[in-house]
Amino acid sequence: GAVVSQHPSRVICKSGTSVKIECRSLDFQATTMFWYRQFPKQSLMLMATSNEGSKATYEQGVEKDKFLINHASLTLSTLTVTSAHPEDSSFYICSARAGTGGADTQYFGPGTRLTVL
Amino acid sequence: ELKVEQNPLFLSMQEGKNYTIYCNYSTTSDRLYWYRQDPGKSLESLFVLLSNGAVKQEGRLMASLDTKARLSTLHITAAVHDLSATYFCAVDIRGNNRLAFGKGNQVVVIP
Repeated sequence: GAVVSQHPSRVICKSGTSVKIECRSLDFQATTMFWYRQFPKQSLMLMATSNEGSKATYEQGVEKDKFLINHASLTLSTLTVTSAHPEDSSFYICSARAGTGGADTQYFGPGTRLTVL
Repeated sequence: ELKVEQNPLFLSMQEGKNYTIYCNYSTTSDRLYWYRQDPGKSLESLFVLLSNGAVKQEGRLMASLDTKARLSTLHITAAVHDLSATYFCAVDIRGNNRLAFGKGNQVVVIP
């Protein structure tokens, strides 16, 4: 099946710094990627939809200036958490959709655990 | 706002017995997904249900979808320890692959 990777898998940073997380589709081209965050023992919350070559679409309540998304190519999307604070500590998961049909499966990356001290 | 509710949120299962977990959603959608998540891991796709009456089976798991009732069920047959995990259902928001997830059913299978 399709493989999606994320890097890094785990990151610890100081409050006020910025952290970049990469999401790559390894064996398919992803026109659309999605970013989710998951707090401990909670569900996944969709943060934004990332389309190659265009601006990301953010869900209500997600600060686009804080969570910068760049979908530079059909295999790479990045999420930058700017000026991170402890409340941004979470598990960030990306997914990638192959093709353009409405029923295409999303393939999830392994996640990045961010801890902000 | 689309709401997705799963129940029970926690279920302790005895090995060898059958169980069903439920996923209800609040608005019309004909696309529902089931995922499995192990602790500290990402999501593994289990089933994609695309139409009313859809039924899919893989091993001891069987998922079904009733779009009229806005209900999906995940049936576990003869539970085994390896099935211990959290199971999430997700519904497609407006048919564009934006997914709304339920809170998950945490399943623990005990001998």
